[in-house]
Amino acid sequence: EVQLVESGGGLVQPGRSLRLSCAASGFIFDDYAMHWVRQVPGKGLEWVSGISWNSDNIGYADSVKGRFTVSRDNAKNALYLQINSLRPEDTALYYCSKVALRITMAGAFDYWGQGTLVTVSS
Amino acid sequence: SYELTQPPSVSVSPGQTASITCSGDRLGDKYAHWYQQRPGQSPVLVIFQDSQRPSGIPGRFSGSNSGNTATLTISGTQAMDEAGYYCQAWDSRIAVFGGGTKLTVL
Repeated sequence: EVQLVESGGGLVQPGRSLRLSCAASGFIFDDYAMHWVRQVPGKGLEWVSGISWNSDNIGYADSVKGRFTVSRDNAKNALYLQINSLRPEDTALYYCSKVALRITMAGAFDYWGQGTLVTVSS
Repeated sequence: SYELTQPPSVSVSPGQTASITCSGDRLGDKYAHWYQQRPGQSPVLVIFQDSQRPSGIPGRFSGSNSGNTATLTISGTQAMDEAGYYCQAWDSRIAVFGGGTKLTVL
């Protein structure tokens, strides 16, 4: 059974940093690109970042470029999102998700974690 | 930047057919994917690559994509289908989501 479990969220002050983690199990992690998608409570979905199976291809939404850094550790079946210079508008539930097809970066997201909530407030 | 437009809300009577549209420039040249999100839950993929159903998704869910519009169709809509639905596509290596449609079954 595929499982994606996010952690690392919390209440942080503007300008501070946070590192989110996603622990993956139930599939061959290093065969698949992984992505982060966020959702402001009560609002829609916003893609944040993605990373290919071998970390060669990485992408970011314009809204987070330069502040967010995605990475993965295939030996640990883990995905990370380093968030710097946090802003109130970064407040959201952050989901980790897996791409449906092997190797490709772009595709449908077939499994999602339960999300980790990041709240940016002074 | 690329945009996908969905109606904010759609209403349907139980047992009837619901259609949710997603519009974007030349969307038919891309793959459209659809997600269902019930309140308090994570999104679930219900249609991928325009019209493919993941295993476990009921056959009443179907999809199409042509021209500038992708459509998610739910035949014989049930009360349990009441949820938010999001379309998604890729453009220039960026994943784009539609704003979401709240489906009400009444």
